[in-house]
Amino acid sequence: GNSVTQMEGPVTLSEEAFLTINCTYTATGYPSLFWYVQYPGEGLQLLLKATKADDKGSNKGFEATYRKETTSFHLEKGSVQVSDSAVYFCALSEKVTGNQFYFGTGTSLTVIP
Amino acid sequence: EAQVTQNPRYLITVTGKKLTVTCSQNMNHEYMSWYRQDPGLGLRQIYYSMNVEVTDKGDVPEGYKVSRKEKRNFPLILESPSPNQTSLYFCASRLRQGIGNTEAFFGQGTRLTVV
Repeated sequence: GNSVTQMEGPVTLSEEAFLTINCTYTATGYPSLFWYVQYPGEGLQLLLKATKADDKGSNKGFEATYRKETTSFHLEKGSVQVSDSAVYFCALSEKVTGNQFYFGTGTSLTVIP
Repeated sequence: EAQVTQNPRYLITVTGKKLTVTCSQNMNHEYMSWYRQDPGLGLRQIYYSMNVEVTDKGDVPEGYKVSRKEKRNFPLILESPSPNQTSLYFCASRLRQGIGNTEAFFGQGTRLTVV
């Protein structure tokens, strides 16, 4: 079956620190991979995505590379800001059926000045 | 502006009192779905709809109903709410089923408390 395992939180970092949030997946087919971000009191917003192996998704200084050999899609940012404080969800969607997203449990990030 | 709109944002109700959470999207998306978000469990799909009059169960459908009479609307119905349905609910829409690399657009969420 399909599943996503995400790094447990919460994570607290100082401003300008390096961020890594680990995500690994299990999929029966060839999924697309996504990172969504949820700011306090809001819905989920797409942060970045990658649709095939070795693709790199990037947005707002965040990056993640689709690694088929390690079934991973780790999220990274070189220098976090206070405004990056949010909950981050890794997710996959099967390309062929695409009926639903399979989400990780979410990682809460707090960035302190 | 492209958006998914849910109402209400917050709701407190009593066990057994029927309620409906509305969801509407303005992007002409074919595919819509409902998720619930619970601590430590992430988001789990309740129901989805691939088009008008086409709905199907997700992973946690017990205690919920949906309907899709119009393309833009996808209400979630709790006929007899129970405390274990206390959760944060999200409606989402997507361009169409079968296109697994397209993003989903989410509403702002409905926080439901059943006492």
